[in-house]
Amino acid sequence: GIQVEQSPPDLILQEGANSTLRCNFSDSVNNLQWFHQNPWGQLINLFYIPSGTKQNGRLSATTVATERYSLLYISSSQTTDSGVYFCAVGGPDDSWGKLQFGAGTQVVVTP
Amino acid sequence: GAGVSQSPSNKVTEKGKDVELRCDPISGHTALYWYRQSLGQGLEFLIYFQGNSAPDKSGLPSDRFSAERTGGSVSTLTIQRTQQEDSAVYLCATHRGVLGYGYTFGSGTRLTVV
Repeated sequence: GIQVEQSPPDLILQEGANSTLRCNFSDSVNNLQWFHQNPWGQLINLFYIPSGTKQNGRLSATTVATERYSLLYISSSQTTDSGVYFCAVGGPDDSWGKLQFGAGTQVVVTP
Repeated sequence: GAGVSQSPSNKVTEKGKDVELRCDPISGHTALYWYRQSLGQGLEFLIYFQGNSAPDKSGLPSDRFSAERTGGSVSTLTIQRTQQEDSAVYLCATHRGVLGYGYTFGSGTRLTVV
């Protein structure tokens, strides 16, 4: 199956700082999503982004499918951004089948 | 409903007992997925439904695990003869089955086997 590697594993930010999270994957994908798991365990979909660039408020994401990586940018971080960020991918035969999740990046934003 | 609903939110069971976990999808979402997340771990895929059929059951860890979906709606995940290693949060997600959209997760069922 597809391997998904996320970096860094942990990130501590001061409120107001910017950061970049990276997701590398081992094969071509038909589906790539970013999720935020808040400290209460709820998973929220941030982006569906198998290619290209999207922005939503202070968050943006870019996927370069030909080079097999995706980046999630957090600008002007807030304490509510704390939690675990997961990248998840589906292979060429999985348009909306199973997603393979990375191990996540644990983000802590301090006041 | 407005979101994906899972019940119960918490379940404590004795080793060897059977448990049923329920997922109510967003109305009209044709695809439904079960994942589990063990303490401090990532998400592990279990099974995927399209309508009432399950084209991908590859993640079910043993024959003690089974799932069904009826009426293209509610899904039940059953674990027979529970073991302590089954303790985890079981998450359900659904999708409208159209490209361009992400998956919506429920808040999960925390299963503890004692």
